[in-house]
Amino acid sequence: GAGVSQSPSNKVTEKGKDVELRCDPISGHTALYWYRQSLGQGLEFLIYFQGNSAPDKSGLPSDRFSAERTGGSVSTLTIQRTQQEDSAVYLCASSLTRQVNSPLHFGNGTRLTVT
Amino acid sequence: GESVGLHLPTLSVQEGDNSIINCAYSNSASDYFIWYKQESGKGPQFIIDIRSNMDKRQGQRVTVLLNKTVKHLSLQIAATQPGDSAVYFCAESYGSSNTGKLIFGQGTTLQVKP
Repeated sequence: GAGVSQSPSNKVTEKGKDVELRCDPISGHTALYWYRQSLGQGLEFLIYFQGNSAPDKSGLPSDRFSAERTGGSVSTLTIQRTQQEDSAVYLCASSLTRQVNSPLHFGNGTRLTVT
Repeated sequence: GESVGLHLPTLSVQEGDNSIINCAYSNSASDYFIWYKQESGKGPQFIIDIRSNMDKRQGQRVTVLLNKTVKHLSLQIAATQPGDSAVYFCAESYGSSNTGKLIFGQGTTLQVKP
């Protein structure tokens, strides 16, 4: 079946511009996560959505970052007034539930480059 | 071949040998651990997971060992193949209510020599 789909796969933007990154999770998965991976580093948790509950935004690095999940499916991560330190691969993942034995399935990410 | 995780980010092994990738985790309260494999240009792919009430779990050609006393996790890959070449991440979470909110290690690159 289809996996997690992210678009665009690559995005180059100028410093100060806003960007939107999109994630289509696996159909039927109720939990959705955004992570960030800087060059040569591990993944850093950003935000988590579960059903209709309020999202866990505890990993967002600044108020320039926000995310939405519409209709319990597609999610967009928005970065306003981008900075060079925002350059990274942004990974989306979904899971059937948030419980044990429900591992994350990751998309291939959006590589963001801020010039 | 064997790595010491964070302090030896690259492990090079001969095809057919067994590989051991090590990880020292940070939180003694962590109760769920997971290994991911990441190939270039792709997202991480689930390999195997283990709960803190276990000390060993086996999958297909892979085994995860957990030593809670020293907060150490290892991934053993039997008969390593060229397709195993990738970056391997360990990750931990605590609180069974949300095992998707993970803390990832820095990763170990596994290079398989033909």
